[in-house]
Amino acid sequence: KAGVTQTPRYLIKTRGQQVTLSCSPISGHRSVSWYQQTPGQGLQFLFEYFSETQRNKGNFPGRFSGRQFSNSRSEMNVSTLELGDSALYLCASSSQGGVYNEQFFGPGTRLTVL
Amino acid sequence: SQQGEEDPQALSIQEGENATMNCSYKTSINNLQWYRQNSGRGLVHLILIRSNEREKHSGRLRVTLDTSKKSSSLLITASRAADTASYFCATSGGSNYKLTFGKGTLLTVNP
Repeated sequence: KAGVTQTPRYLIKTRGQQVTLSCSPISGHRSVSWYQQTPGQGLQFLFEYFSETQRNKGNFPGRFSGRQFSNSRSEMNVSTLELGDSALYLCASSSQGGVYNEQFFGPGTRLTVL
Repeated sequence: SQQGEEDPQALSIQEGENATMNCSYKTSINNLQWYRQNSGRGLVHLILIRSNEREKHSGRLRVTLDTSKKSSSLLITASRAADTASYFCATSGGSNYKLTFGKGTLLTVNP
């Protein structure tokens, strides 16, 4: 099976702009989660979707939003970008997203905000 | 906030030696997973151990879990230069669907 794919791999934006990142899960996986990784804060959970429903959300401002489509592909959007949003954004998929399922990560999207 | 805390933060060993990394966490968990990350790239899933398991093996990896001490360890035997990476533990607990990561251990295996 193909792994989790994320597009684009690299992105450069300026403050105030908005950005949309895309994630395609492993075929058959219905749960998609998003994480932000920065040197200072480490890996932090953004949100998780299952069958187009957001089941859990991390402690991020409302500028961070996401959605999941009927084919399980997911997008996350960050509006009004700030310098502190520069990070590696990782997407993970799992079959059910339940507490006993492994999560498999994509290669990430490296976002740089200037 | 981070729940898992890896120890040590950095570890440097010679090829062929064993590497042990520890992870402590604060609240009750359903399972604990270990991941590897090479130089700012994606995370590679290594192993999952459930809260009712005490030890698990996968190839050169051995993971233990002590829920009474809220700690886990990852042992990599006969290390190779290719094992050089950051290693993270991640926990999930309760009815939520998220992983909570520690800050990781940077392992350097010198040839």
